[in-house]
Amino acid sequence: DTGVSQNPRHKITKRGQNVTFRCDPISEHNRLYWYRQTLGQGPEFLTYFQNEAQLEKSRLLSDRFSAERPKGSFSTLEIQRTEQGDSAMYLCASSLAGGFANYGYTFGSGTRLTVV
Amino acid sequence: RKEVEQDPGPFNVPEGATVAFNCTYSNSASQSFFWYRQDCRKEPKLLMSVYSSGNEDGRFTAQLNRASQYISLLIRDSKLSDSATYLCVAPPLDSNYQLIWGAGTKLFIK
Repeated sequence: DTGVSQNPRHKITKRGQNVTFRCDPISEHNRLYWYRQTLGQGPEFLTYFQNEAQLEKSRLLSDRFSAERPKGSFSTLEIQRTEQGDSAMYLCASSLAGGFANYGYTFGSGTRLTVV
Repeated sequence: RKEVEQDPGPFNVPEGATVAFNCTYSNSASQSFFWYRQDCRKEPKLLMSVYSSGNEDGRFTAQLNRASQYISLLIRDSKLSDSATYLCVAPPLDSNYQLIWGAGTKLFIK
């Protein structure tokens, strides 16, 4: 297992287009998180899955954002009708149940989105 | 008050010096804290976990002061490779799952 994998690494899209990102967590990790990070800021929480259940969503996650984890393995994050303010690094992280309290997260390399 | 606040940066220190960062948190019930390191345009990577009074790993020491609700990170004998942004992380008031991140402190070793 090579850690958390995210694809694509970079995405440039025109305003108004839809984009989808994929995250493959560490295989034995049942918790999966999506965060967003803009320049000069720490990551901001977007949503959390335990297995296939989406248990928590941030108020930051507008109705243009949707995330799925259909089989409790990989996850996708879709942004519809992208806006320039969506430009950010989108980070996926995973952990074992209870693990983050002791061991923190393992992050993927992120998907850098640029909306032009 | 933000839930997690860090020392403003950047810190510019000579190689070999000792540097310390502070981070204050709001949730007095928090049990676990973390320091992450983030290199430019890379993902954050866990540096240290902090529970009880603190933790030490080589040149790095993290301490927790529950009474004053802050954690600190001390780097001794700093090296050029320590140049990075250091992010302080704590659980929030209203969630069992997410973590709240400080904005980070930039460190430049020269």
